[in-house]
Amino acid sequence: AQSVTQPDIHITVSEGASLELRCNYSYGATPYLFWYVQSPGQGLQLLLKYFSGDTLVQGIKGFEAEFKRSQSSFNLRKPSVHWSDAAEYFCAVKAAGNKLTFGGGTRVLVKP
Amino acid sequence: GAVVSQHPSWVICKSGTSVKIECRSLDFQATTMFWYRQFPKQSLMLMATSNEGSKATYEQGVEKDKFLINHASLTLSTLTVTSAHPEDSSFYICSAAPSGSYNEQFFGPGTRLTVL
Repeated sequence: AQSVTQPDIHITVSEGASLELRCNYSYGATPYLFWYVQSPGQGLQLLLKYFSGDTLVQGIKGFEAEFKRSQSSFNLRKPSVHWSDAAEYFCAVKAAGNKLTFGGGTRVLVKP
Repeated sequence: GAVVSQHPSWVICKSGTSVKIECRSLDFQATTMFWYRQFPKQSLMLMATSNEGSKATYEQGVEKDKFLINHASLTLSTLTVTSAHPEDSSFYICSAAPSGSYNEQFFGPGTRLTVL
């Protein structure tokens, strides 16, 4: 069965600093991978996705992620964090039947 | 494009009553919709997959008689929490996969259910 691990439950970063969120997946076939962001009390917004092709994927809000098959990872990065980036971030892998399996999430706090 | 709405956004009900939550795809047709449950500070757990015109498929451990799902049209799925109890209090989120698309789904804003 597929699974997604986000090792960091919380990350605190200063505004303007870089951010990297880790995601490791377990899936038997070629994975379809996603990163979502959730603000408190809100639904999920898609930041970016990887299906195939270039392993460095650009998303919205200045985020990017790199797919590394050898490491079963799909880490999310942003060069310079803004206070509005404070939120919960979820990595997900798509399995059969279009089902998504989510990681546990990483809460990002941004210090002024 | 690809907007999904949920109604209501929040609801408070008494224990023992039933609550219906609607999920609508506003600008696309969705053959498949999904219902998730999210406890505070936790991840999303898939409850069931809803296919238009057929019975929903429930994940292991989800009571189908407690969480009734109806997907009567290509733009509407409903989740009814029957005989709600305080432990059913949670954040319920739906998502919709555009017909013909097998790789993406779009999420609604969620419904906060509080059972007193």
